[in-house]
Amino acid sequence: DQQVKQNSPSLSVQEGRISILNCDYTNSMFDYFLWYKKYPAEGPTFLISISSIKDKNEDGRFTVFLNKSAKHLSLHIVPSQPGDSAVYFCAGDSNYQLIWGAGTKLIIKP
Amino acid sequence: NAGVTQTPKFQVLKTGQSMTLQCAQDMNHEYMSWYRQDPGMGLRLIHYSVGAGITDQGEVPNGYNVSRSTTEDFPLRLLSAAPSQTSVYFCASREDSANYGYTFGSGTRLTVV
Repeated sequence: DQQVKQNSPSLSVQEGRISILNCDYTNSMFDYFLWYKKYPAEGPTFLISISSIKDKNEDGRFTVFLNKSAKHLSLHIVPSQPGDSAVYFCAGDSNYQLIWGAGTKLIIKP
Repeated sequence: NAGVTQTPKFQVLKTGQSMTLQCAQDMNHEYMSWYRQDPGMGLRLIHYSVGAGITDQGEVPNGYNVSRSTTEDFPLRLLSAAPSQTSVYFCASREDSANYGYTFGSGTRLTVV
């Protein structure tokens, strides 16, 4: 039973354009949702989070949207830069436990 | 400020051997956890701790033990290694509030032959 799903294994975006990464969840008990970025051979790096009581959170180029009725969240990166090429994971946080999606590989084309 | 330090970075074990993966953080975080990542999958929680002396099981705890005698250290012990435990292991720590996210170590790549 996958509680957090990222249905797109990969996404290719032109440099300077908007990247939109999507995530669906089934567990209504998550308190927070978080996005992480991961480069090969490194640990995940925290990007941005959103409380389950909010519908939007912004931090610089990164914005996360939460649609509770659809149990869907998305991460927008504007503008996309070459350094954004990485695997992006969304995760739900419930009682100190993170449940992760399988990740989406984002490729930024020059 | 080193953050979260994991040792070793690489390890090869024979089936049935035991070993301890070390994890230390210098941020005075109360919450620490261990995850494993297998190819094509997200991270899965093995064990976690909300403070010194307190540990609990995560999603995939079988075959692993943990202890938390100090705030700084959270070692993960493999009792009798099996090929199914071949994976990349990540240790993480977090401040009190979940919205700051976990800080992860760089990982230990374990191969069991």
